[in-house]
Amino acid sequence: KNEVEQSPQNLTAQEGEFITINCSYSVGISALHWLQQHPGGGIVSLFMLSSGKKKHGRLIATINIQEKHSSLHITASHPRDSAVYICAVRRLNFGNEKLTFGTGTRLTIIP
Amino acid sequence: DGGITQSPKYLFRKEGQNVTLSCEQNLNHDAMYWYRQDPGQGLRLIYYSQIVNDFQKGDIAEGYSVSREKKESFPLTVTSAQKNPTAFYLCASSRTVYLWGNSPLHFGNGTRLTVT
Repeated sequence: KNEVEQSPQNLTAQEGEFITINCSYSVGISALHWLQQHPGGGIVSLFMLSSGKKKHGRLIATINIQEKHSSLHITASHPRDSAVYICAVRRLNFGNEKLTFGTGTRLTIIP
Repeated sequence: DGGITQSPKYLFRKEGQNVTLSCEQNLNHDAMYWYRQDPGQGLRLIYYSQIVNDFQKGDIAEGYSVSREKKESFPLTVTSAQKNPTAFYLCASSRTVYLWGNSPLHFGNGTRLTVT
């Protein structure tokens, strides 16, 4: 079993829909990253969080440390949100050299 | 604008040849990383560097080599000893590697290497 599991693997939705992508992990962590990989391959860091909730524009990330679970929400989704969303966890007592990455959720927003 | 530049975007090589992938950053970050991405797998760490003239092996360092002679540059050489070199390679940087740093990762746009 992978230490970081994302669901769903693929998600197709209509423009305007509310999107939720989930990340579950099985190890102790000090932080969790949400990343966005564009169709061309480049990756952008969306959030780094260790507790609670963060919001940036239409994106919201939450984490529940006790349940070992994080969610990424996109409100009022738009075709430009189409990308692969990757969750990565930073292991407890380690720095960025001990990141474990999920395999990603491919999101497609249809106009 | 500050960022990370990887070049080239696509690279083709014959089996048995060494090839070097370029990664340059102007973010003044101490830490730099090389990751490999294969279909259906999460990113895997090849090498990382915490500071100039220092680098450490990651989880899949065999068949790769790096150097960190300048803060801005962290080239990766894929040697002929790497059994399955065809992959997408991503370079990243952060202000620091360390736990106490609020140090998100910044990524380049990647280099897709094909070896035939």
